[in-house]
Amino acid sequence: AQSVTQPDARVTVSEGASLQLRCKYSYFGTPYLFWYVQYPRQGLQLLLKYYPGDPVVQGVNGFEAEFSKSNSSFHLRKASVHWSDWAVYFCAVSESNYNVLYFGSGTKLTVEP
Amino acid sequence: NAGVIQTPRHKVTGKGQEATLWCEPISGHSAVFWYRQTIVQGLEFLTYFRNQAPIDDSGMPKERFSAQMPNQSHSTLKIQSTQPQDSAVYLCASSLGLSQNTLYFGAGTRLSVL
Repeated sequence: AQSVTQPDARVTVSEGASLQLRCKYSYFGTPYLFWYVQYPRQGLQLLLKYYPGDPVVQGVNGFEAEFSKSNSSFHLRKASVHWSDWAVYFCAVSESNYNVLYFGSGTKLTVEP
Repeated sequence: NAGVIQTPRHKVTGKGQEATLWCEPISGHSAVFWYRQTIVQGLEFLTYFRNQAPIDDSGMPKERFSAQMPNQSHSTLKIQSTQPQDSAVYLCASSLGLSQNTLYFGAGTRLSVL
């Protein structure tokens, strides 16, 4: 069965600083990987998704992620964080040709002025 | 496009009462998913429909929980004899139903069982 682990429950960065949120996946085959963001009292919104191909994926609002098969990772990055990025970020994995997503526990991002 | 609509936004029930949660998927989407979100367990997959047919209910508790999709415009999640441990945010999502398609989530229904 597939699963993802987000080792950092909370991350705090200063506005304008760079960001990396970590995600490790566990899946025997080729995974399909996703990052979603959840703003307070809202549903989840897709930031980006990886399908087998280019390991670096560009998403919305300046986010990108890099797939690494050797490290079983799919870390999320942003060069310069904005206060509006304050939210909870979820990594998710899906089997190929199957839409059910399995989510990690989430990382709560706090942005300091 | 109003997105995925979930009603009610908040529901409070007494222990032992029934709760029915509603989800209206995005028009034209053929797949509907239900998830449960709690602080302790995080986001848990419950069940999923494609073209109104139940495809996978492996995440549904075996007792008291049921889900239906009587037509393409709505799905319901019913919890009988609610218990305090059922308190959670229940999220519905829809997708076009093709493989690797994006899931679009509603804002959720917060269920509080007193």
